Amino acid sequence: SQTIHQWPATLVQPVGSPLSLECTVEGTSNPNLYWYRQAAGRGLQLLFYSVGIGQISSEVPQNLSASRPQDRQFILSSKKLLLSDSGFYLCAWSVQRDGVYGYTFGSGTRLTVV
Amino acid sequence: GENVEQHPSTLSVQEGDSAVIKCTYSDSASNYFPWYKQELGKRPQLIIDIRSNVGEKKDQRIAVTLNKTAKHFSLHITETQPEDSAVYFCAATPNTGGFKTIFGAGTRLFVKA
Repeated sequence: SQTIHQWPATLVQPVGSPLSLECTVEGTSNPNLYWYRQAAGRGLQLLFYSVGIGQISSEVPQNLSASRPQDRQFILSSKKLLLSDSGFYLCAWSVQRDGVYGYTFGSGTRLTVV
Repeated sequence: GENVEQHPSTLSVQEGDSAVIKCTYSDSASNYFPWYKQELGKRPQLIIDIRSNVGEKKDQRIAVTLNKTAKHFSLHITETQPEDSAVYFCAATPNTGGFKTIFGAGTRLFVKA
């Protein structure tokens, strides 16, 4: 079966500290991978997507970066966190099945920058 | 750019009543329209979806309708229950790739017991 793992579940970090969130997918190969951010009570903001190893597209200019070192691993990073980076971060994957691309989201990481 | 508009942003109904959430999309290449339910602090989870070659789909108390000509699709929940309270997101995905999926801004549904 296809599963997606995301960790940590909760993170409290001081302003200016680095960040690394990791997401791994099992049971599928060559998925599209995504990082979304959700501010409190708000919608889903696409941050990055990747269609293959080493291929990263950024949707929003910011102090975050993403990397895909392996086919089923997607990492979100920051060298120095800002207060505005607080939010609920969701990893997601999609593969084409029967002509359509369905999304599956990870369990999310709630990041609070203090 | 492509866009998905979702209305209303907040919806409050009495238990047992019906709830309807509407979305409009702009990309004519969209061929897949999923709906996600997100409970507080949880991940969005797929509850129902519809493809562009279908006009309506039903799964127990949940149904989705699609009007391709008008580029509208709607989520209908009948006999609402308190556990239906959540944020609902619509989305539109073109056949050119999942990374082009556009999500609506979400509707917060409150079901009052």
